[in-house]
Amino acid sequence: EVQLVQSGAEVKKPGTTVKISCKVSGYRFTDYYIHWVQQAPGKGLEWMGVVDPEDGKTMYAEMFQGRVTMTADTSTDTAYMYLRSLRSEDTAAYFCTMGTGSYTFEHWGQGTLVAVSS
Amino acid sequence: DIQMTQSPSSLSASVGDRVIITCQASQDVRNNNLNWYQQKPGKAPQLLISDAFDLEAGFPSRFSGSGSGTDFTLTISSLQPEDIATYYCQLYDSLPLFGPGTRLEIK
Repeated sequence: EVQLVQSGAEVKKPGTTVKISCKVSGYRFTDYYIHWVQQAPGKGLEWMGVVDPEDGKTMYAEMFQGRVTMTADTSTDTAYMYLRSLRSEDTAAYFCTMGTGSYTFEHWGQGTLVAVSS
Repeated sequence: DIQMTQSPSSLSASVGDRVIITCQASQDVRNNNLNWYQQKPGKAPQLLISDAFDLEAGFPSRFSGSGSGTDFTLTISSLQPEDIATYYCQLYDSLPLFGPGTRLEIK
């Protein structure tokens, strides 16, 4: 059974960095990309970017470019998402997700709530 | 850049009603690269329909998808209380893009 298990909720100050982890199981980690999706409270889904665990290559959505970094640790089958220079608008749930087809998200983590507040 | 709209943005219907949610893209969606997700409150989204038509395992047959080009439809043939959720379309071309969502409530 494919599972993606994310790290717990975070409360961060503006200007700081949050690191969210996504540990996968049930398949070979390097076979499929890991994507990250943001959902602000009461809002829709926003694709943030993708990391290829096989070679570490990334692609980021324009609105997060310069503030986000996505990595993958093949020794622990864990993907990470770092979001820097946090502001109140970054208060949201963040999901990791993957699928066997390109950009079809079959499996999701449970989500990590990040609250940014002074 | 391609834009996506969904209508209605919210919908209140009765148990047993036929419910239709539409998703429109500003450009042709190649190869029917259009998915639908169901998201219940406080939960992660779940893939409901892939490639415009293919119902995912575990979902009842009252859900169906149709459409092509720029216009796609999600239909629930007979609304059930457990279908209360927000539904998102998502296209994938060069990059994935989600529609704004349709919130479905029971009347």
